Amino acid sequence: LAKTTQPISMDSYEGQEVNITCSHNNIATNDYITWYQQFPSQGPRFIIQGYKTKVTNEVASLFIPADRKSSTLSLPRVSLSDTAVYYCLVGDVLTGGGNKLTFGTGTQLKVEL
Amino acid sequence: EAGVAQSPRYKIIEKRQSVAFWCNPISGHATLYWYQQILGQGPKLLIQFQNNGVVDDSQLPKDRFSAERLKGVDSTLKIQPAKLEDSAVYLCASSATMTAGNTIYFGEGSWLTVV
Repeated sequence: LAKTTQPISMDSYEGQEVNITCSHNNIATNDYITWYQQFPSQGPRFIIQGYKTKVTNEVASLFIPADRKSSTLSLPRVSLSDTAVYYCLVGDVLTGGGNKLTFGTGTQLKVEL
Repeated sequence: EAGVAQSPRYKIIEKRQSVAFWCNPISGHATLYWYQQILGQGPKLLIQFQNNGVVDDSQLPKDRFSAERLKGVDSTLKIQPAKLEDSAVYLCASSATMTAGNTIYFGEGSWLTVV
């Protein structure tokens, strides 16, 4: 059973705001929601993480509704350099304690002029 | 602060040969991860260490893959013998701990091509 579901791809233009929504219907009480960005030939890079409500940093915002069954990554005014794959992750609790992150297939964002 | 270091960056081997990848995590990080990423797919967790102990290796093909983190710092992932389907990027990552909410930092990856 997939932990998260997100669109396979999205297209946008420079200067626009992009919102990528991820569903995680089975999120556990102690799970956090984490988003990573990955460019070709590079390892994933942490973007933002949240537990509930809204989180904002210098590159993105993360909106989490009260039921926490979905989340939306918001990228304000994207540029060509934001073309990448974006992964939404929630944790899996390990039998012996601790947490691990399982990646899905991600969302390929393509930004054009 | 130095990031996660991996080597070699690229490796081409013939099937049935062996290969080893090395990883040095961010200083002080207790948790170390090895992920396999096949082209077009998301990273798949192979093994997770907490200090020098394995906490999850449920997706590690143990007949050919092995990993160790003997002193709880750097780690080596070995494949022997390699198969064509092992062609992938091997990503090492680390985090301060493995509790929920901890940020995981990735290295640039080691690209393996098996021919």
